[in-house]
Amino acid sequence: AQKVTQAQTEISVVEKEDVTLDCVYETRDTTYYLFWYKQPPSGELVFLIRRNSFDEQNEISGRYSWNFQKSTSSFNFTITASQVVDSAVYFCALSGLTDSWGKLQFGAGTQVVVTP
Amino acid sequence: DTAVSQTPKYLVTQMGNDKSIKCEQNLGHDTMYWYKQDSKKFLKIMFSYNNKELIINETVPNRFSPKSPDKAHLNLHINSLELGDSAVYFCASSQAGVSDTQYFGPGTRLTVL
Repeated sequence: AQKVTQAQTEISVVEKEDVTLDCVYETRDTTYYLFWYKQPPSGELVFLIRRNSFDEQNEISGRYSWNFQKSTSSFNFTITASQVVDSAVYFCALSGLTDSWGKLQFGAGTQVVVTP
Repeated sequence: DTAVSQTPKYLVTQMGNDKSIKCEQNLGHDTMYWYKQDSKKFLKIMFSYNNKELIINETVPNRFSPKSPDKAHLNLHINSLELGDSAVYFCASSQAGVSDTQYFGPGTRLTVL
């Protein structure tokens, strides 16, 4: 069975601070896909990144960066120089080949609160 | 230009009623999904359709019945609504399955009184 753990329930930071969101996953699959989604207060789910299990290269997109480490089964997400608009719930999710086809297993989410 | 749309955005109804939520995607995707987000924001898949064929059916009460008239539409009908059905329901779509990104609709907030 697949499992995604986001141990941090809520993180509060002051604007311009960096914030790192942890994501640890469990899967028996050798081929799998990891995702991050953002859910702002308005409620929609916004796709941020997809990473497959064979690509351990870290990625940076603007103020966002992701650190994928298969050795520790982690896919952590860092927001650099946080802004108030980053306040949202962030979900890590996993999809594996041998589990139900296309089923996204979500973590519980981490609420990020950025104050001015 | 909306990629995945859902109607209605809000739905307030009495226990025991039957209601439907509609979903449409204009991304040309083959696979569509329904997810339920509970009050603690936990997201869990309910159903998935690929080219109008049901491929994922999680342990969802029989009162929930998805229907896909074509691959661009996936509707969710709920019979005999219960208080516990109150949640946000998200529709999503992807090109195929496990490897492809799922894009979500804006959600439908269902409140059962």
